[in-house]
Amino acid sequence: AQTVTQSQPEMSVQEAETVTLSCTYDTSESDYYLFWYKQPPSRQMILVIRQEAYKQQNATENRFSVNFQKAAKSFSLKISDSQLGDAAMYFCAYRSGRNSGGYQKVTFGTGTKLQVIP
Amino acid sequence: NAGVTQTPKFRVLKTGQSMTLLCAQDMNHEYMYWYRQDPGMGLRLIHYSVGEGTTAKGEVPDGYNVSRLKKQNFLLGLESAAPSQTSVYFCASSPYVPENTEAFFGQGTRLTVV
Repeated sequence: AQTVTQSQPEMSVQEAETVTLSCTYDTSESDYYLFWYKQPPSRQMILVIRQEAYKQQNATENRFSVNFQKAAKSFSLKISDSQLGDAAMYFCAYRSGRNSGGYQKVTFGTGTKLQVIP
Repeated sequence: NAGVTQTPKFRVLKTGQSMTLLCAQDMNHEYMYWYRQDPGMGLRLIHYSVGEGTTAKGEVPDGYNVSRLKKQNFLLGLESAAPSQTSVYFCASSPYVPENTEAFFGQGTRLTVV
């Protein structure tokens, strides 16, 4: 079974600064997808960014980018120019590719609570 | 733009009571999931369904039952609630394809068992 590890329960960043959230995963599969979700105090789960394992290029979405290291099984999220609205819980998630037995499941890490300091 | 809707949003139960959480999605997704979220433990999969009439156990299925009689609905039942089931419950759905599609979540149900 796949596992997702987020080793930083809490992080803080000054407004306008850059912060990196760590995520590692364990899998024997070669075909999979990785996601970062944001959960603000409203509890709503919001997709931040996704990465296909077959793509070497790191995904970016405006101020959010990832550092995907497939060999190291690492998938960190970088938030640039941090804003107060970025304060939330962030979850890393893994989904197997279609040819894998676990395709229908999405496995989540334990989350990192990000505080943004004005 | 309803997406995934969960009812109720809050509930307090006494130990031993039963209840059903309802999840409805209007995106014609094949897959539906029930997760529970506890501090420091992330989201853990309780049960999931890959289609109408099918269900499967996830990581923490004990004490819960599910049914998916219609494609758009996924019900989570607690037959005899225990304080250990105090949690926030999330329903989610995702399509079979495209493979890189994220799961879409409801707004959660905060359940307290006293």
